[in-house]
Amino acid sequence: DAGVIQSPRHEVTEMGQEVTLRCKPISGHDYLFWYRQTMMRGLELLIYFNNNVPIDDSGMPEDRFSAKMPNASFSTLKIQPSEPRDSAVYFCASSLGFAADTQYFGPGTRLTVL
Amino acid sequence: AQSVSQHNHHVILSEAASLELGCNYSYGGTVNLFWYVQYPGQHLQLLLKYFSGDPLVKGIKGFEAEFIKSKFSFNLRKPSVQWSDTAEYFCAVNPAGRRALTFGSGTRLQVQP
Repeated sequence: DAGVIQSPRHEVTEMGQEVTLRCKPISGHDYLFWYRQTMMRGLELLIYFNNNVPIDDSGMPEDRFSAKMPNASFSTLKIQPSEPRDSAVYFCASSLGFAADTQYFGPGTRLTVL
Repeated sequence: AQSVSQHNHHVILSEAASLELGCNYSYGGTVNLFWYVQYPGQHLQLLLKYFSGDPLVKGIKGFEAEFIKSKFSFNLRKPSVQWSDTAEYFCAVNPAGRRALTFGSGTRLQVQP
């Protein structure tokens, strides 16, 4: 199994630009999570999906952030317009939906907004 | 809302020293507890987890953790650290039946040869 795949691994963009981060969960996993890691705030849950449906998006910072999961094998996190304070490492994780499961993390996307 | 506290932000040890990293959580109900490790430049990996049963949990690479319910704690231990244990360690909690993890702020461990 290839594990959780994220792309791109690094993204550098200018303030105001649209950024799209991509995630492919482990095949068969029915939960998908997006986290953000910063020095100031640590690891924060942004949103998670179950069977492609968003369950909890209370961690999404503001309307500039949106996430979709059009099918079981793909999810995107979009920031539009991007701001320098969005600079962080964004992790995607997936898990299998039975009680007390473990989340498997992808390698992350390091986003730098200039 | 639940929170997770890791009081040691940066720990420096010599090889062969013993390690204990503290983790306390605030949630009154049944919880699942995790320790994740992030080696330099790598993604988070599960070190060990506690769901129920024996409160002393053994994980990979010689790590163990003890769940003390009365103290709301889940401290990570290793009797003898190695240089390769240099990494950042995260404690995480989720209430039983929920999926989302709440992470602590992490502890950066530096092991000197």
